Amino acid sequence: GNSVTQMEGPVTLSEEAFLTINCTYTATGYPSLFWYVQYPGEGLQLLLKATKADDKGSNKGFEATYRKETTSFHLEKGSVQVSDSAVYFCALYQGGKLIFGQGTELSVKP
Amino acid sequence: EAGVAQSPRYKIIEKRQSVAFWCNPISGHATLYWYQQILGQGPKLLIQFQNNGVVDDSQLPKDRFSAERLKGVDSTLKIQPAKLEDSAVYLCASSAGSSGGASSYNEQFFGPGTRLTVL
Repeated sequence: GNSVTQMEGPVTLSEEAFLTINCTYTATGYPSLFWYVQYPGEGLQLLLKATKADDKGSNKGFEATYRKETTSFHLEKGSVQVSDSAVYFCALYQGGKLIFGQGTELSVKP
Repeated sequence: EAGVAQSPRYKIIEKRQSVAFWCNPISGHATLYWYQQILGQGPKLLIQFQNNGVVDDSQLPKDRFSAERLKGVDSTLKIQPAKLEDSAVYLCASSAGSSGGASSYNEQFFGPGTRLTVL
């Protein structure tokens, strides 16, 4: 069945460091791919999305490229801020269902 | 625009007790979802409503969980009796229109969740 695997956390970075959170998926066909973010005490929010191969989603300085050949959708940001501390979820949408990875906690220190 | 509202935010009960969660979706959103998020895991869909009809409840443990969405607006999720393994955050989400079809995604907006602890 469809599934999403993320790199394990927690990830701890210093402010202005480069961020990569790996995400790979298993699915038939061409699912849509998403990154959601969950700030402390808040609900999940859609961060970015890509709906077809080679699409690049971007928002708030974060980027992710839909790589069909490697079934990946890695999240990147060139310079993280303390305010980026949150839990990040990779997800795929197919067959009417949204399937999430296990989440990666990011902690950014000043 | 108000977001998805959930209550209570926290609940602690003993095993074999019953508990209910309430969700008020974004106004006008036809589709409502309940997810279970166990610590260290991603959210897992329990049930999806389209207006007041059930679209998918294949992952709902029907021997102890029930959900309803009367009048196609608010929804309640009930657990009776609760087990230790039901400890989790229960998330409600809503979207405009349906989320059916492989290529058609209507963004889901999530509430803050209810954290349930079963002792």
